[in-house]
Amino acid sequence: AQSVAQPEDQVNVAEGNPLTVKCTYSVSGNPYLFWYVQYPNRGLQFLLKYITGDNLVKGSYGFEAEFNKSQTSFHLKKPSALVSDSALYFCAVRDDNFNKFYFGSGTKLNVKP
Amino acid sequence: EPEVTQTPSHQVTQMGQEVILRCVPISNHLYFYWYRQILGQKVEFLVSFYNNEISEKSEIFDDQFSVERPDGSNFTLKIRSTKLEDSAMYFCASSPRTGPGYEQYFGPGTRLTVT
Repeated sequence: AQSVAQPEDQVNVAEGNPLTVKCTYSVSGNPYLFWYVQYPNRGLQFLLKYITGDNLVKGSYGFEAEFNKSQTSFHLKKPSALVSDSALYFCAVRDDNFNKFYFGSGTKLNVKP
Repeated sequence: EPEVTQTPSHQVTQMGQEVILRCVPISNHLYFYWYRQILGQKVEFLVSFYNNEISEKSEIFDDQFSVERPDGSNFTLKIRSTKLEDSAMYFCASSPRTGPGYEQYFGPGTRLTVT
């Protein structure tokens, strides 16, 4: 069975500093990993995905994620945080049939000026 | 950019009442989904729908739930007799195709409160 875990309920970072939002995964086959962001009163918005290839994946709004097979991790990163990055971030893994997503519990990112 | 829309944004209903949550997926998408998120918990898969039939459903999606695509544009989730534990945020999503590389596009959600 597929699952992802987000060990931090909340991450606080100062504007301009690098940020990391952690995600670890457990899959029975190939990992197809995604990050979504949710702003208040908005739906989940796709940020980036790892399917195959380079371990460093670049996505929207300057975010990137590093796939690490040995540590079964897919951490979301950004070199310099913005106050507007404050939102709820979800890691997700695709199921074996490429149908549904399994989501993590979400991490609230607070970026302070 | 096309978006998935959902109505209403917030629905309050009494226990035992029927509710219908509405979604308009992106127009050229073929795969449709409902997820829910109980406050403070994970986003959970409910059901997927393709070619006018359910392709997969979770154990949450019991006989009280049904989905329909009545007119080629709307995609609805009906809960026949709501329970207190149905209170959650319900998200609709759509996708043009299915496969490992295809993300799902989510709507803003409907907050259902059962009293």
